[in-house]
Amino acid sequence: EVQLVQSGAEVKKPGESLKISCKGSGYSFTSYWIGWVRQMPGKGLEWMGIIYPGDSDTRYSPSFQGQVTISADKSISTAYLQWSSLKASDTAMYYCARQRLDPEIFDIWGQGTMVTVSS
Amino acid sequence: AIRMTQSPSSLSASTGDRVTITCRASQGISSYLAWYQQKPGKAPKLLIYAASTLQSGVPSRFSGSGSGTDFTLTISCLQSEDFATYYCQQYYSYPPTFGGGTKVEIK
Repeated sequence: EVQLVQSGAEVKKPGESLKISCKGSGYSFTSYWIGWVRQMPGKGLEWMGIIYPGDSDTRYSPSFQGQVTISADKSISTAYLQWSSLKASDTAMYYCARQRLDPEIFDIWGQGTMVTVSS
Repeated sequence: AIRMTQSPSSLSASTGDRVTITCRASQGISSYLAWYQQKPGKAPKLLIYAASTLQSGVPSRFSGSGSGTDFTLTISCLQSEDFATYYCQQYYSYPPTFGGGTKVEIK
């Protein structure tokens, strides 16, 4: 079964760092892009960026460039989303999703990781 | 970035109804449009891509149409499991962008 399994919910304080993960299984992890999507409480979906684990090519939305870092470790079929200094406004559900090469759509989604940033 | 505008933002309908959701792009995107369904507390699910191609396993009561700037998602006979929020997404140019969502509620 093709699936993406994300790490568990996190509660952090402003200024702390965080790295959440997304582990793929059931398919060739290095042959598809992995993307990250933010959903703030009660709001819609926002495309953050993607990474191609095969060569670590990474693309960011301008809205998230410099705010987060996307990485991957192909040896363990895992992608990551990290923050160096969290803000309260980073409180959201974060989904990883597999993006096909063509068409470039998200066909498999992780279950989501809730990140809460509060003092 | 291309802006995607969905309408309505919410609607009330009954089981068995025909429901149509529209999505408009701020510039032409050919047929590079996908539709996703999201139920409360769950991840989105891909329904349709290339504006009208049904993802494998998606019931045939779902259909999509349009090209250029105007698109529609139609549910021909609403079922209880279809009450959810629906999002369109363009993947014509980077960054891909989503519409604001349409919540389909029980009347």
